Amino acid sequence: QLQLQESGPGLVKPSETLSLTCAVSGASVSGSDYYWGWIRQPPGKGLEWIGSISWRGGTSYNPSLKSRLTVSLDTSKNQFSLKLYSVTAADTAVYYCARRESMVATSAHYWGQGILVTVSS
Amino acid sequence: QSALTQPPSASGSPGQSVTISCTGTSSDIGLSNHVSWHQQHPGKAPKLIIYEVSERPSGVPDRFSGSKSGNTASLTVTGLQAEDEAEYYCNSYAGSTIHWVFGGGTKLTVL
Repeated sequence: QLQLQESGPGLVKPSETLSLTCAVSGASVSGSDYYWGWIRQPPGKGLEWIGSISWRGGTSYNPSLKSRLTVSLDTSKNQFSLKLYSVTAADTAVYYCARRESMVATSAHYWGQGILVTVSS
Repeated sequence: QSALTQPPSASGSPGQSVTISCTGTSSDIGLSNHVSWHQQHPGKAPKLIIYEVSERPSGVPDRFSGSKSGNTASLTVTGLQAEDEAEYYCNSYAGSTIHWVFGGGTKLTVL
């Protein structure tokens, strides 16, 4: 059974880097046809797709965040990560990690439980 | 402002049917059949309930169905049940530059 678990600091200062990790169990991050991604939800607001990385390491990013964003895979630890640079209060949100498969056309098939990250001094 | 437009709210009584619309453009919903719907209960992570316009993942009741016409997708819930009360988000592929977009969400209330 696939499980996705986000971890990282719940509080980040403005202008610093937001770093999150998603630990994967029940599947290999290098498994064929898997895409591992991040989606966020500001408090009381809707969902925003952030970006994803394929099992081969190819990345896709939201153009509005691309200049500040890195998504990476760590096959040795079976996890993937998000780094968002130069954060502001507008980056305060619940961050979800997710997986989709090539044959399931959606941005996220399976979701983690989410982690709230607040950007504040 | 979300890329896809959904009504902020919808409602129906138990046993009734309700349809939620999601309007986009020829650059997203109209581009392909890669349209999906996610259900989110308060304080919980979203859950995929429809993908590829009308396909249901394993375990999703057939009371949930999806359709698309032109640049508008729809989610229909038949035989409303109390547990269907949730926020529903549409989600569409938007090409190789923007990739994926969401609607602003529709809060479904079961009266």
